[in-house]
Amino acid sequence: DTAVSQTPKYLVTQMGNDKSIKCEQNLGHDTMYWYKQDSKKFLKIMFSYNNKELIINETVPNRFSPKSPDKAHLNLHINSLELGDSAVYFCASSPLGLGVRTEAFFGQGTRLTVV
Amino acid sequence: SQQGEEDPQALSIQEGENATMNCSYKTSINNLQWYRQNSGRGLVHLILIRSNEREKHSGRLRVTLDTSKKSSSLLITASRAADTASYFCATDADDYKLSFGAGTTVTVRA
Repeated sequence: DTAVSQTPKYLVTQMGNDKSIKCEQNLGHDTMYWYKQDSKKFLKIMFSYNNKELIINETVPNRFSPKSPDKAHLNLHINSLELGDSAVYFCASSPLGLGVRTEAFFGQGTRLTVV
Repeated sequence: SQQGEEDPQALSIQEGENATMNCSYKTSINNLQWYRQNSGRGLVHLILIRSNEREKHSGRLRVTLDTSKKSSSLLITASRAADTASYFCATDADDYKLSFGAGTTVTVRA
């Protein structure tokens, strides 16, 4: 029973294409995130959603559009892919809410390669 | 902007030795967390220490937190080959996100 699952695990695509990465969590958490990990392993927050509402958009280009149809799902759509978008994208969730501070659970990552 | 910074960037030790890595951060926090990432995998939560705690233990892990210096350390005792991984600290402030550093890559030699 995977707690946070994201698909696909690998994605190779050409510049200019549009692609989506899906994420689902079965933990009943209120908050979901997208992180980008670059080639130097630095993890940067992209988006944070709480109960389907966008809380954080960390100066991400508007080619990246997250969508949360319900609080168990947070998908990431990327338009007009560029070489610099190549990275590993991690979805995560946590029961974070007002007054609740605890750990996050991460998916296995999606390695995106733009050629 | 990057909140946490780990030191050293890389660490190589012999099996059975202890590994110590440090994390410094910039702003006030609610808690600080340590995660492990094995090669090609997602991050796994190891331990959480709250801002009003100074030390915490979990198995072979010991974490300290000094809020006056805005720093934390992670000690892994009696290391094993399976401890080979990257270790990240993450800070939880009042902004609905965990802010990560760039990690310390630990290699445990048999």
